[in-house]
Amino acid sequence: GAGVSQSPRYKVAKRGQDVALRCDPISGHVSLFWYQQALGQGPEFLTYFQNEAQLDKSGLPSDRFFAERPEGSVSTLKIQRTQQEDSAVYLCASSLRETSTDTQYFGPGTRLTVL
Amino acid sequence: AQKVTQAQTEISVVEKEDVTLDCVYETRDTTYYLFWYKQPPSGELVFLIRRNSFDEQNEISGRYSWNFQKSTSSFNFTITASQVVDSAVYFCALTRYNFNKFYFGSGTKLNVKP
Repeated sequence: GAGVSQSPRYKVAKRGQDVALRCDPISGHVSLFWYQQALGQGPEFLTYFQNEAQLDKSGLPSDRFFAERPEGSVSTLKIQRTQQEDSAVYLCASSLRETSTDTQYFGPGTRLTVL
Repeated sequence: AQKVTQAQTEISVVEKEDVTLDCVYETRDTTYYLFWYKQPPSGELVFLIRRNSFDEQNEISGRYSWNFQKSTSSFNFTITASQVVDSAVYFCALTRYNFNKFYFGSGTKLNVKP
């Protein structure tokens, strides 16, 4: 079956531009997560959705970051007025149930470079 | 606070050598889960194992084995007879019961040379 897919795989933005990153989770997965991975580091949690409800956004670094999952499947992470420090790989993961300790399955990530 | 430490930044071995990747975690919770993921150059994190805090049995899967020791808060990963295809960055992660985020270590880059 299909895994988690993300698009675009690579995005170059000029400082100040807005970007939108898309995640298609595994079909039927209730939970969806976004992580930010800086170069040479482990992924850092950004936000969590259970179906369409955003239950935890404690990891979003600023109010320039916004995520949505309006129909409980596809999710979009939007970054407004991008800054150079936003350059990172953005990973999306999904898990089957709402159980917090369920295995998360990751997509290939979107590498964002802000010039 | 939750924390995962992978002190080995990078390890290089020659093919067929055994290699152990260390993972030390911190949590005050009694119920938690530990994971290992592999991140090959393609970038996608690949799930390897999930272990809960009440199951301290070691696990073996082919050339992979895991040693979970609550007494030392460690969850180490051993690859036996390493192969070039094992070259990747390996991450250890911790999640708490009823919390939804994973806490990842900084990863260990494994280079297996032919």
